[in-house]
Amino acid sequence: QSALTQPASVSGSPGQSITISCTGTSSDVGGYNYVSWYQQHPGKAPKLMIYDVSKRPSGVSNRFSGSKSGNTASLTISGLQAEDEADYYCSSYTSSSTRVFGTGTKVTVL
Amino acid sequence: QVQLVQSGAEVKKPGASVKVSCKVSGYTLTELSRHWVRQAPGKGLEWMGGFDPEDGETIYAQKFQGRVTMTEDTSTDTAYMELSSLRSEDTAVYYCATAIYSGYDLGYWGQGTLVTVSS
Repeated sequence: QSALTQPASVSGSPGQSITISCTGTSSDVGGYNYVSWYQQHPGKAPKLMIYDVSKRPSGVSNRFSGSKSGNTASLTISGLQAEDEADYYCSSYTSSSTRVFGTGTKVTVL
Repeated sequence: QVQLVQSGAEVKKPGASVKVSCKVSGYTLTELSRHWVRQAPGKGLEWMGGFDPEDGETIYAQKFQGRVTMTEDTSTDTAYMELSSLRSEDTAVYYCATAIYSGYDLGYWGQGTLVTVSS
């Protein structure tokens, strides 16, 4: 199972919106509405930001939103803040009943 | 609130095995869908295996099949991940994580356990 494809880096100024893409296949992202997104700050455990494509866990800011079209899922961060600077990973359920993570995206707040 | 507390760092020689524990509190272990994820230094997240809510079985990533075993002790609400035939490439932080929302998320994570494989 190959990792899902994410851009290596995305940057934006405070207050702007950015979007991170996560491209897979019809056997994972395109085949199931079970895409999750995780935020990871250096030296810390990942934190769930979005699950089931677009659902937000309690306590996660509504500046984070998720969507999916075909084999590509997306995470949008609106009103970018300094604290959003981190690594972000997508993950999907697969047709083999396994999970697969994306390659990861480093978000930089300029 | 779920808390996952993992065992401490380990240093192992190539060819050895390591067993990492993950104690759950706030829920009983059987209520949670348990998974293990690792992250090599400077690299991304890698799913190793976990509970599949579709068929109620533990599924391992093909890469680790034959080398990894995930077990649990329900009397102490502790999950275990044992990885054998260690090589230097297995040096990583190993995380336990559980689904808490839909069964397909990883909503709670342990603090991570660094396993270093070195001769």
